[in-house]
Amino acid sequence: AQSVTQLDSQVPVFEEAPVELRCNYSSSVSVYLFWYVQYPNQGLQLLLKYLSGSTLVESINGFEAEFNKSQTSFHLRKPSVHISDTAEYFCAVSDSRRVWAQKLVFGQGTRLTINP
Amino acid sequence: DTEVTQTPKHLVMGMTNKKSLKCEQHMGHRAMYWYKQKAKKPPELMFVYSYEKLSINESVPSRFSPECPNSSLLNLHLHALQPEDSALYLCASSFAMVGGAGANVLTFGAGSRLTVL
Repeated sequence: AQSVTQLDSQVPVFEEAPVELRCNYSSSVSVYLFWYVQYPNQGLQLLLKYLSGSTLVESINGFEAEFNKSQTSFHLRKPSVHISDTAEYFCAVSDSRRVWAQKLVFGQGTRLTINP
Repeated sequence: DTEVTQTPKHLVMGMTNKKSLKCEQHMGHRAMYWYKQKAKKPPELMFVYSYEKLSINESVPSRFSPECPNSSLLNLHLHALQPEDSALYLCASSFAMVGGAGANVLTFGAGSRLTVL
């Protein structure tokens, strides 16, 4: 089984400051890793994913995450945040061996609040 | 079409009512999911259908009854719910095949917010 730990339940930062949201996972098998974002009163949107290849993955809106197998981490970073980045961020993991039906396991979420 | 559409967006029901939540996708995905999300909590998996067959049931009470009538539709029938069942119900879909650019990636709908009185 897999599990995910998001170390910070809330992260307040000022606009244009850098931010890092931490995510660690536990698994006895190889995994795929994801970051999803949830804006207030909305569903989840995929922010970025690591399936294979380069350990540094980037999103179209400036976020990036690096898969670190030795430290079992997949931290999310952005060099300069905007007010519009205020949301709940979920790190998630799935067993890479499963194909037919994914069991996506989520962390508890990190509430990112951007202050002007 | 790259969306998962859920209806209704909001539903209020009494404990003796029977209602249904509906989910639709036209991305050719063959796996469809129901998740339940309580306030300030992560989503929790309820059911997974793969090729219109129930693949995973996470020990969900029988007052929740899923149905997958075809590869594009997923329903969740609700009966005799309790107030603690009030939550955001999220539908998701994914490819269900070996390899492929979108394999293993779930696309979520906006959710149906359920209130049980």
